[in-house]
Amino acid sequence: KAGVTQTPRYLIKTRGQQVTLSCSPISGHRSVSWYQQTPGQGLQFLFEYFSETQRNKGNFPGRFSGRQFSNSRSEMNVSTLELGDSALYLCASSPGLAGGLETQYFGPGTRLLVL
Amino acid sequence: GDSVTQMEGPVTLSEEAFLTINCTYTATGYPSLFWYVQYPGEGLQLLLKATKADDKGSNKGFEATYRKETTSFHLEKGSVQVSDSAVYFCALSPRAGGGNKLTFGTGTQLKVEL
Repeated sequence: KAGVTQTPRYLIKTRGQQVTLSCSPISGHRSVSWYQQTPGQGLQFLFEYFSETQRNKGNFPGRFSGRQFSNSRSEMNVSTLELGDSALYLCASSPGLAGGLETQYFGPGTRLLVL
Repeated sequence: GDSVTQMEGPVTLSEEAFLTINCTYTATGYPSLFWYVQYPGEGLQLLLKATKADDKGSNKGFEATYRKETTSFHLEKGSVQVSDSAVYFCALSPRAGGGNKLTFGTGTQLKVEL
């Protein structure tokens, strides 16, 4: 099976712009989660989508949003970018039916740089 | 809320040395516990996991045992190789409430030298 894919791999934006990141899960997986990785804050959970519905949410401002399509592909959007949004954004997928018992499989990430 | 504490790095070892990376957690109920590894420029890969007390996860010579009494999940390997150099993350996922939500430790960088 193909792994989790994320596009684009690298992005450079300026403050105030918005950005959309895409994630394609492993075939058959219905849960997609997003994480932000920064040197200062480490790995932090953003949100999880399952069957097109947000099932869990982390403690991020409303500028961070996401959605999931009927084919389980997911997008994450960040509006009004700030310098502190520079990070590696990781997407993970899992079947979605066994909750915390499941292994999440991670993509390679999208590295976002905000200037 | 849930939290994971792991030892600060970097940890520098000689090849064939014994490795221990400590991990303790705070969580409501009985979470599932994971070790993920991140190689430079890559995403996270699952190394091993345990879903209930006294379970031992193992993979590629790495082992960790879910200790409920000490709320710990320490990672061990008997003989490290240069190829094990990476950043290791301990994580937990709550079993109650459904869904996936990993809480990670800060990561421990391991450098193995010849």
